[in-house]
Amino acid sequence: GQQLNQSPQSMFIQEGEDVSMNCTSSSIFNTWLWYKQDPGEGPVLLIALYKAGELTSNGRLTAQFGITRKDSFLNISASIPSDVGIYFCAGQHSNYGGSQGNLIFGKGTKLSVKP
Amino acid sequence: GAGVSQSPRYKVAKRGQDVALRCDPISGHVSLFWYQQALGQGPEFLTYFQNEAQLDKSGLPSDRFFAERPEGSVSTLKIQRTQQEDSAVYLCASSLGQTNSPLHFGNGTRLTVT
Repeated sequence: GQQLNQSPQSMFIQEGEDVSMNCTSSSIFNTWLWYKQDPGEGPVLLIALYKAGELTSNGRLTAQFGITRKDSFLNISASIPSDVGIYFCAGQHSNYGGSQGNLIFGKGTKLSVKP
Repeated sequence: GAGVSQSPRYKVAKRGQDVALRCDPISGHVSLFWYQQALGQGPEFLTYFQNEAQLDKSGLPSDRFFAERPEGSVSTLKIQRTQQEDSAVYLCASSLGQTNSPLHFGNGTRLTVT
């Protein structure tokens, strides 16, 4: 199935560093979402973006919906150990009665702690 | 419970066996989704229910996959004659179904076909 291009695939962080990841698509989306998934758990929504150009923050997390509607980025400032995990971007073309539904996910960015 | 509950957490099936995976959505959530997540990949959409109606099954990979939600609450994903490529984590998600209602995911069922 279709997936988004998400980069980087993995990165190592040191506590206090800022982190940046992005997602691109060949098609336009109406909604961009960012999720975090810990081992053995389901994805948890971090930030949702609904308008081209929108910039939204959630604590130390900031995400933007690209002007072209084909890309999005997520920044994490002043990282802490519990930021470790896999981050997924997801785009949505259609809207099932207003609910976020048929999502297309990226392959994920794995955040690990620098040894 | 407070969240989406899936059972079993782990399922090992011999190739050719049928399996049934259960999802208990959050009470009152009208929308229910099934996703398949292969190892090292993002989740991929399988099917969508609004109450008991299956409105989209475009993501089901073959006719061996069947999902139902007969009373608009609990849902079951059934896979007949399992094959090795069916090995994955199957995630269920539910939402209120209102404008911009977020999806709440369960912790998934990890299916291993040997």
